[in-house]
Parts: sequence; structure tokens; C-alpha cells
Amino acid sequence: RKEVEQDPGPFNVPEGATVAFNCTYSNSASQSFFWYRQDCRKEPKLLMSVYSSGNEDGRFTAQLNRASQYISLLIRDSKLSDSATYLCVVYNNNDMRFGAGTRLTVKP
Amino acid sequence: DAGVTQSPTHLIKTRGQQVTLRCSPKSGHDTVSWYQQALGQGPQFIFQYYEEEERQRGNFPDRFSGHQFPNYSSELNVNALLLGDSALYLCASSLGTGREQYFGPGTRLTVT
Repeated sequence: RKEVEQDPGPFNVPEGATVAFNCTYSNSASQSFFWYRQDCRKEPKLLMSVYSSGNEDGRFTAQLNRASQYISLLIRDSKLSDSATYLCVVYNNNDMRFGAGTRLTVKP
Repeated sequence: DAGVTQSPTHLIKTRGQQVTLRCSPKSGHDTVSWYQQALGQGPQFIFQYYEEEERQRGNFPDRFSGHQFPNYSSELNVNALLLGDSALYLCASSLGTGREQYFGPGTRLTVT
């Protein structure tokens, strides 16, 4: 089993749709969690950290379920500019583990 | 406020050669991590440097080595290049370990 697994995608959604990504991790001792987005042939950019209580940043909501060892990302009112690959990241003991990413395409 | 910078942008090497990639962290950051990203995959952790020491290492052979300098900049060295080393090499910096990391634009290495 991979340490960090994400929905395989791709997700193709119309503008204005709500889309959710899930990510599971295998190491129960993992300490920190993040979502990054990566545009084609660009570097990953931090989207948001994920806190135990859940957190929201505008149209984006991230949640963490430690008991089930998964994190999620919800995007509301999708924009064309949200088209990218979304990477789930799990941190443990100086070691950041990335998922393979889920590709999102938002269409007009 | 300069972000993370990497050099060179692109590099073409031949099998068996050695390569050195360079990274300058974001201003105020003291920790540098290196990743390898193959096409269609997520970044794979190579190692992390903090206080000029390698703090953690991913599942990469000893051909991959690094260094951090007193000004927090870092180098990644790869010896005896293989075709499979062709990838995007990303450097990320943070303030301390376990914190949000900010990535540079990467160095695209092609081994022929």
C-alpha cells in the first residue's frame, strides 16, 4: 500500500460545480497535512494546511479525519482557473510524502 | 522578497556523468528539501537539510548526495547518472522542519 493515496481522477466538472477530493495515508503517526496545487510543468504551490478542526479558505475547505486516516479537499463554485493537479501531502518526522495527485479540469 | 530559486533551469547530461543542482531558499527560511518528480507522478522526497546536516532521507541511493551551506543554500549532486534519473528536480524551503514548504521552479534534467 502506498503511503499516501489519492483519488485517481481525472475530474472533469463544469464551472460552478462543487468537487471533492479524498486522500488516505498509512502512517498513523503523521503530524502535518497539506494540499498543494500544481499547474502543468510548474512547481507545486501551497494551497492550504489541513488542521484537525477543519479549515476553510474562501471556496476551499479542508478536513482531516485522524481516526480513518484521510484528508479531504472541497472546492465550491469551481472556476476555470481551478484547473490543475491537486497534491495531498502528509508530513512525518522530517519526511514529506506526496500523493500522485488528482487532475481537475473545470470546463465552461 | 525573493522566493525559492533554482539553477540551472534545464540540463542535459549523458549516462555516467555527474550533475550538481543548486537552490537558494526563500528569504528567512533555514530548511531545504529536495524532491524528484517524474512525469505524471507526485514529487518523491530525496532528503532534507537543516543546520547544514541531512536530517531525513527518502528511498534514494547513495548516488544522490547533498550539502547545505551556512547561508542556507543547498546543492544536490547526482553521480553516475542513469536514464531513469531524468525528471524535474524540485527544491523546497521552509522555516524549520515540519512546516509549510515553498517550492522553486525546478530543474529539468534529461539524461541521454
